[in-house]
Amino acid sequence: DAKTTQPNSMESNEEEPVHLPCNHSTISGTDYIHWYRQLPSQGPEYVIHGLTSNVNNRMASLAIAEDRKSSTLILHRATLRDAAVYYCILRDGDSGGSNYKLTFGKGTLLTVNP
Amino acid sequence: DAGVIQSPRHEVTEMGQEVTLRCKPISGHNSLFWYRQTMMRGLELLIYFNNNVPIDDSGMPEDRFSAKMPNASFSTLKIQPSEPRDSAVYFCASTIRTGQPQHFGDGTRLSIL
Repeated sequence: DAKTTQPNSMESNEEEPVHLPCNHSTISGTDYIHWYRQLPSQGPEYVIHGLTSNVNNRMASLAIAEDRKSSTLILHRATLRDAAVYYCILRDGDSGGSNYKLTFGKGTLLTVNP
Repeated sequence: DAGVIQSPRHEVTEMGQEVTLRCKPISGHNSLFWYRQTMMRGLELLIYFNNNVPIDDSGMPEDRFSAKMPNASFSTLKIQPSEPRDSAVYFCASTIRTGQPQHFGDGTRLSIL
């Protein structure tokens, strides 16, 4: 499985934007970039995913580098409820492969200061 | 909408006892996953079902673990006999079809004494 590298932790202030980086230099052409987050005492929650183009949804934006070797999850205005562990995961998009599999790393622990 | 429902939320039992964890996936979802989360190993996939059929059980630790999905709305993960090293949070997740975002339950926190 292609691996991702994320900082162990990051801090932000409430109502400020947060940019969470992820490196995936061994990404293959069929790998989708997925982001999940896990709030304390809860199961992981899907945030966003993309393949090549930048993506926006109501929760966040995903900026994907042109060479796809890195990506950034953007929370436009952090709130205290965004404090969580954020996981960047590569999912094989090949329907003949293990496209069901999400391999979670250690993620980035985001702390939001009031 | 009801999400993935897991029961019990907490379970404390003595080693050697049988433990059964339950999961009700989101209605209409055809894929179901069981994960285990520990501080040491993080989140690990144990088993994956598609249309009620086990597809990948390579993550099941050993024969003491078994999982079933008798119908589209129910799955169990059983540990018999349980051991202290099985203590973890066990999550169930479902997805409408393979490759789509997974929806996780709130987990079962299992403590084996």
